[in-house]
Amino acid sequence: QLQLQESGSGLVKPSQTLSLTCAVSGGSISSGGYSWSWIRQPPGKGLEWIGYIYHSGSTYYNPSLKSRVTISVDRSKNQFSLKLSSVTAADTAVYYCARAYDFWFFDYWGQGTLVTVSS
Amino acid sequence: EIVLTQSPGTLSLSPGERATLSCRASQSVSSSYLAWYQQKPGQAPRLLIYGASSRATGIPDRFSGSGSGTDFTLTISRLEPEDFAVYYCQQYGSFGPGTKVDIK
Repeated sequence: QLQLQESGSGLVKPSQTLSLTCAVSGGSISSGGYSWSWIRQPPGKGLEWIGYIYHSGSTYYNPSLKSRVTISVDRSKNQFSLKLSSVTAADTAVYYCARAYDFWFFDYWGQGTLVTVSS
Repeated sequence: EIVLTQSPGTLSLSPGERATLSCRASQSVSSSYLAWYQQKPGQAPRLLIYGASSRATGIPDRFSGSGSGTDFTLTISRLEPEDFAVYYCQQYGSFGPGTKVDIK
């Protein structure tokens, strides 16, 4: 059974960079046909897709966040990461990592981690 | 960019009743790429339906999806107590705003 687990700082100061990692167990992050994604949810609001990294290493980002987002993969550790720069209070959210079948649907999700942007 | 809208925003029903949730896309989308998720408080979303009408592994058959083009529907044939939750539709990098199904 595939499992995903987010980790990283739960409190980030404004203008700094948010960094999260998603550890994948029960399967290989290099498996073909899948992409690995970050999705966030501000408190009490809906879901916002942040971006994907495909198994080939290609990345695709939400246009509204593209200038601030980097998603990367570490195959040796079977994990992928998110960096979001120049954060503001509007970036406060629960951040989920998820596996997507190709780019079509998200079939496995992490439990989510709350990141608060505050001084 | 495709925008997904969902209606109603809230659906108040009793256990045993039928729930019909709508998802409309701003332009025609392939039904292959339309998915539905259920989210309960404090939990990650759970995939229910993919390809507009295929149930994900372990999803009860009271959940069904249909539709094509710009109009898609998630139907819960008889609501169980555990079905009261928020439901989202998704197509590629776009999520709808969600429909909350609560107890009447």
